[in-house]
Amino acid sequence: SAVISQKPSRDICQRGTSLTIQCQVDSQVTMMFWYRQQPGQSLTLIATANQGSEATYESGFVIDKFPISRPNLTFSTLTVSNMSPEDSSIYLCSVRWENQPQHFGDGTRLSIL
Amino acid sequence: AQKVTQAQTEISVVEKEDVTLDCVYETRDTTYYLFWYKQPPSGELVFLIRRNSFDEQNEISGRYSWNFQKSTSSFNFTITASQVVDSAVYFCALSESKAAGNKLTFGGGTRVLVKP
Repeated sequence: SAVISQKPSRDICQRGTSLTIQCQVDSQVTMMFWYRQQPGQSLTLIATANQGSEATYESGFVIDKFPISRPNLTFSTLTVSNMSPEDSSIYLCSVRWENQPQHFGDGTRLSIL
Repeated sequence: AQKVTQAQTEISVVEKEDVTLDCVYETRDTTYYLFWYKQPPSGELVFLIRRNSFDEQNEISGRYSWNFQKSTSSFNFTITASQVVDSAVYFCALSESKAAGNKLTFGGGTRVLVKP
């Protein structure tokens, strides 16, 4: 199975700033996704990261707030822009390849002061 | 639109007791996949099982077993002889074959606390 590395593992940020989260996979994967898990809540899909083109966002999430890049088949970034306390969450990257189920990175715990 | 409901928000048991987690789903698709994931206190999400809609056979893996019943749109998960290490939040999820990239829709999760 693929090894998924997510950085940073946690961060504390000031409101109004932006943070970029990286997701690196040790092998090429077909699909990469970004999820948000608010405190005590379930996971909600933010967007599907498309290689070489704009990400596909779910309802309620916009590119200006959550810009995503996927320059190749092993790497993606999610930026949380102009952060507010409501953005305090765990952000998780997941990947899928061939006929495999989605596998998740360890997540980034983000706190906004 | 698809939906996954886990009615139990939290279950507390004593070690060695069995615990069953309920999962009910809604979908209009005839081809879909159901999943269970475990999220221990450390936060990572661990894949446990995937079933497709055409395979209603129950499955057992060690102390874990799953009961898929299409007639009631349920995919329940039982932990037999629970252990403290089973303490975690468990998520049921659904993926429709027609959904782009087979994206996952998660239930609200059930927190399991196993006391020694």
